[in-house]
Amino acid sequence: GAVVSQHPSWVICKSGTSVKIECRSLDFQATTMFWYRQFPKQSLMLMATSNEGSKATYEQGVEKDKFLINHASLTLSTLTVTSAHPEDSSFYICSASSFRGSRLGEQYFGPGTRLTVT
Amino acid sequence: AQRVTQPEKLLSVFKGAPVELKCNYSYSGSPELFWYVQYSRQRLQLLLRHISRESIKGFTADLNKGETSFHLKKPFAQEEDSAMYYCALSGGTSYGKLTFGQGTILTVHP
Repeated sequence: GAVVSQHPSWVICKSGTSVKIECRSLDFQATTMFWYRQFPKQSLMLMATSNEGSKATYEQGVEKDKFLINHASLTLSTLTVTSAHPEDSSFYICSASSFRGSRLGEQYFGPGTRLTVT
Repeated sequence: AQRVTQPEKLLSVFKGAPVELKCNYSYSGSPELFWYVQYSRQRLQLLLRHISRESIKGFTADLNKGETSFHLKKPFAQEEDSAMYYCALSGGTSYGKLTFGQGTILTVHP
């Protein structure tokens, strides 16, 4: 099956610094990648939808200047948390999809990245 | 606005017992419904989708548009079914973005 990787799997950074998280589709070309945030014991909250070669579409309430998303190729999307603060500490998960038509909504998920801001 | 509700945060059953994980949705159009599962220490993965009408690992789910429900069922639960289950809805947007329910933790006791 299709595999999506994330790097790093966990990161600790100081308040005010920026952190970049990579999401790669290893064996398929992902026309669309999604970034989610998950708080402890809560569901996944979609942050943004990213299409290769175009600007990401952010969900309401998500600061696009704080969470920079780049989808430069069909196998790589990056999420940069800029000027991180402790409240940005969370589990960030990406997913990738290349489906259309009736298979829209089928996504392959990465393992997630645990971000801790001190 | 689209919404997915999973009313049970926790569900416990004994091995061999039937199990039903409830999912209700709110959406004005024709939704695509999915069940995703996350086993312990593993990533989220697709379990089944309503349009395929298939049974995966003994699980089935029927879309009931009248009741706006998409409950997940299995007649005889197994211990390896213990996991977090998420119901998700794709509202037919161009890119298939998903709205997830809150999730139900299923524990199957021996």
